[in-house]
This record gives sequence, C-alpha cells and structure tokens, in this order.
Amino acid sequence: EVQLVESGGGLVQPGSSLRLSCAASGFTFDDYAMHWVRQIPGKGLEWVAGLSWDSHTVIYGDSVKGRFTISRDNAKNSLFLQINSLGLDDTALYFCAKDTYYGGPPSDAFDVWGQGTMVTVSS
Amino acid sequence: SSELTQDPVVSVALGQTVSITCQGESLRTYYATWYQQKPRQAPVLIIYGNNQRPSGIPDRFSGSGSGNTASLTITGAQAEDEADYFCFSRDSSPTRVLFGAGTKVAVL
Repeated sequence: EVQLVESGGGLVQPGSSLRLSCAASGFTFDDYAMHWVRQIPGKGLEWVAGLSWDSHTVIYGDSVKGRFTISRDNAKNSLFLQINSLGLDDTALYFCAKDTYYGGPPSDAFDVWGQGTMVTVSS
Repeated sequence: SSELTQDPVVSVALGQTVSITCQGESLRTYYATWYQQKPRQAPVLIIYGNNQRPSGIPDRFSGSGSGNTASLTITGAQAEDEADYFCFSRDSSPTRVLFGAGTKVAVL
C-alpha cells in the first residue's frame, strides 16, 4: 500500500523551530519529487515547498522562503521540513505529498497525500 | 491572497452538470490541476495535465482551459461530489506552485 505518514508536529512558542518528517512506503521513493502543503483548519490549501527526487531542484512558496527548508533522505525513504522562526500564522495542518510524475522536477500534481501533522504556534 | 481565483461557493442539483472555474495568468501557459477535499480528509487529485484523471476517478469529472481560465466540470453530479475543490498551477517566474482559495460545491 502506498502510504505517507507525517510526524513532528506539536504545540510550540512563537520564534521557535520545528522539524517535520514524512515516512514513505509502498513506492520507490527516490523516483519522485515530493512536496509539503499546509492548511489552516477550515481554510484553503497552501503549497509550501517542493523537492526533486535528487534534491537538485528546490522550490518554496513566497510566504515561507528563507524560513523553511525542505530536504530528503532517499536511503531512509523520508522527507523533512525544517521550520524556523515560527509565527502565529504558521499554525496549520502540514501535509506531505508525492508528485505524480516519474523522475520529473517538482510539479503541481500530487497523487498521494498523508493525513497531516498539526503545528500549533501559541504563547 | 491567491494568484488563482475561484468562486467561493457553487451549487448544483443532483444529476445536473456544474462547472467550476479558476482564473490566473499562469493558466495561459500551464494546465490547471484540480483537487477534491472532503471534511477531515486529505485532498485527492482528480484532474492533472491535459485533462488526465488518475485511476479510480470517475469520468464524470473533466477539465478544460482557455486563455487565463481553467474549468472543472462535473457531468451528472452525485451526492458524494459535495466537497471543496482546489485548483493548482505551476508558475515559472519564479518557479513555484500557485493555488486557488477553493470552491465549495453543494449538491442539492
């Protein structure tokens, strides 16, 4: 079964850092670009970052550029998101998602999603 | 604010046809990608590329585009199609992914 399982979310204070993880299984992880997408509960989706299979192409959303770092470890079938200088508006459910296209750069089509990990920023 | 614009709410009678639109300059260059999301569930990819549907997506869902507008059409809407629908698009200046705020589809 193709599966993505996120972890690492929690309640954190403003200004702190957090590292989210995504464990992939059921497909050849290093054949696909991967992404993070977030969603404030009850609101819309916001694409955050994407990373090619070989980590050579990295793209970020405007609201997170310079604070978020996406990375991957193909040997461990894992995707990561390092989040620094957390602010109240970073409170959201963070989804890990698999790109649809085999061997391509990050696209906008994500055919497998995890269930998300919740990040709550509050003092 | 989103660089892809969607109508917030659209309603359709059961069994009828409805089109959801998505507008943005990036759509003059790139196809739109469409996702369906039901409450408390992860999004599901329903249309990508040139009107391609992933395995398992019913053929009552179709996509099209013209100029700066992309459309998702549900032909013969079913009760289970009641959901939020989001459009995404690539952008190249700079390279990134754009997203709409979503359209809530109510099946009456």
